[in-house]
Amino acid sequence: DTEVTQTPKHLVMGMTNKKSLKCEQHMGHRAMYWYKQKAKKPPELMFVYSYEKLSINESVPSRFSPECPNSSLLNLHLHALQPEDSALYLCASSPRLAGGSYEQYFGPGTRLTVT
Amino acid sequence: AQKITQTQPGMFVQEKEAVTLDCTYDTSDPSYGLFWYKQPSSGEMIFLIYQGSYDQQNATEGRYSLNFQKARKSANLVISASQLGDSAMYFCAMSDYTGTASKLTFGTGTRLQVTL
Repeated sequence: DTEVTQTPKHLVMGMTNKKSLKCEQHMGHRAMYWYKQKAKKPPELMFVYSYEKLSINESVPSRFSPECPNSSLLNLHLHALQPEDSALYLCASSPRLAGGSYEQYFGPGTRLTVT
Repeated sequence: AQKITQTQPGMFVQEKEAVTLDCTYDTSDPSYGLFWYKQPSSGEMIFLIYQGSYDQQNATEGRYSLNFQKARKSANLVISASQLGDSAMYFCAMSDYTGTASKLTFGTGTRLQVTL
């Protein structure tokens, strides 16, 4: 099973709302990632978790708050977002963190629209 | 800092023909990994192929092969016998080997259209 699942598929939220994105994998991977992808652009890394600990935060605004409750689950809590935060949010996982031949497996993404 | 360059914003290929998607990279690290991902309009990033910087042979995975020319710092993707389902955005990416983390740097992508 090489599947990463993400819910919801689509999300529309107002600037004062609080919502969460969920990502799950059951491949035993110990590294999980959040990416943001704007239309017609490549994905941009936001956060990396390794063994349920935050390893990288790419200077992401605090209105995005990641959480890794266990090794299979990754959440992204959203609060007071701006319209420019509208994007496709991709979750990924990989078998290990450091070193290269381990590809990242991506989920289908959540398309977020902030109104 | 690492950099990936994909100079072809869009490519057309006829069904059953082969196509080459270009990718050049720049890094000062002796150890790195190169990846190709396919992104259909549905949004999911699908891993296609991997090449390690110390690999002597070019990587192949079914209809996909990676033409790795280390001296030229290029890692072109070759798709043989194109199919309509190959129409998608293709991203070249490089992994950054650090002591504590692995990050992927993506190129800007090439949109491939397969025609009848």
